[in-house]
Parts: sequence; structure tokens; C-alpha cells
Amino acid sequence: GQNIDQPTEMTATEGAIVQINCTYQTSGFNGLFWYQQHAGEAPTFLSYNVLDGLEEKGRFSSFLSRSKGYSYLLLKELQMKDSASYLCAVVDSNYQLIWGAGTKLIIKP
Amino acid sequence: IAGITQAPTSQILAAGRRMTLRCTQDMRHNAMYWYRQDLGLGLRLIHYSNTAGTTGKGEVPDGYSVSRANTDDFPLTLASAVPSQTSVYFCASSDIAGTGDYNEQFFGPGTRLTVL
Repeated sequence: GQNIDQPTEMTATEGAIVQINCTYQTSGFNGLFWYQQHAGEAPTFLSYNVLDGLEEKGRFSSFLSRSKGYSYLLLKELQMKDSASYLCAVVDSNYQLIWGAGTKLIIKP
Repeated sequence: IAGITQAPTSQILAAGRRMTLRCTQDMRHNAMYWYRQDLGLGLRLIHYSNTAGTTGKGEVPDGYSVSRANTDDFPLTLASAVPSQTSVYFCASSDIAGTGDYNEQFFGPGTRLTVL
């Protein structure tokens, strides 16, 4: 079967750095997305990785290792507004998105 | 309008009733999707449409039907609602490039449905 694993919840301090991991086992791989979802709102796009390596976009970076079935989202200089759920999703061989359950990130002052 | 709209925002429905959730996008995206999101579970695909006139089944299609008469609209119908269909429903769209590149999905604000 297809499986996306992420930690359920993480806590970090304002101004710090946090890394949210995602491991996957899917039928085929055509890219990996990270989305942010604030409580009661729709998911919004953060990043897309299809090749190995690190993609940096401002305070957020996303890393992919296809051989290890592993990705992480790195958030720097955390702000209170970063409190949200972070969803990892893999594009499978049928070009469908397989979603993880999401990681709830709690930021403390 | 800009982006994707969904209606209603929320609904309480008696079991056995028929309900249609509406979704409209103005981005001229080829592909549209319906997901349900339940606590502790990831987004699960119900149905999708890669282009107007075609639809496909996702991971959890039972009890739901869709149609795609034109590019902009993608309604989801619950023929006879059951309590297990209580969930938050998100509609999404994307512009499939067709070259192997995969474009991001844009989500509507969601419909919170409660079936009693």
C-alpha cells in the first residue's frame, strides 16, 4: 500500500528553527509537495521537489532524497503566524496526490 | 471572483437526504478534485476530473458522484447522506502541464458538512 508518515505534532519556540520530516512509500514518484494549513482554512502551497536536494524559499526550505523516500521542511526564524499544520503529499505513478495526515506545529513565545 | 469558491460554507443535513456541494473556479484550470479531510487522516481524494467531460474515481468514491459539464464547475453530490460522510470537503484545481511537470493544486475554502 501507499504510505506517508509525518509526526503528528511538534512544538518550537518563536525565533528558532524547526525541521518537519516526511517519509513515504508510494507506487511511483513524480514529485513531493509541502502545504501549509491554518486551522479552519484551506491548504496553501509551500514547495515542490522532484529532484534530490534542497530548495530554499525565504524562511522555508524543503529537502528531498528519493533514494531514501524522505523529505523535510525547514522553517527558520519562526514566527507565531507559522503555527499551522504542514502537509506532505507525494505524486504517485498515476499522477495522483497521496497525502500525509499532517504535522501540527505549535509555536510558543 | 478569483480562485476557487465553494458553497455552502457549512451545512447540517439529515441522514438519507440528497446534497450537492458546489465548486467553481475561474482560473481556467484543466483538472479539478474533491477531497474530504477528517481529523487524524490526510486529505483523501473522492473524485477527480482531468478535463471537462471526464471524471475519475479517487480513493473513497462510494456514496458520492460528480459531473464536469464545463471547465469552471465541478459539483459533488451525496445521493443519500450517511453520518460517516460528516467531514470537511475541499475542492481543488490545477493546471496539468502535460509534460510530466506537475503543477500545484489550489484549494477552495471548504464546506463543513454534518450528517445527523
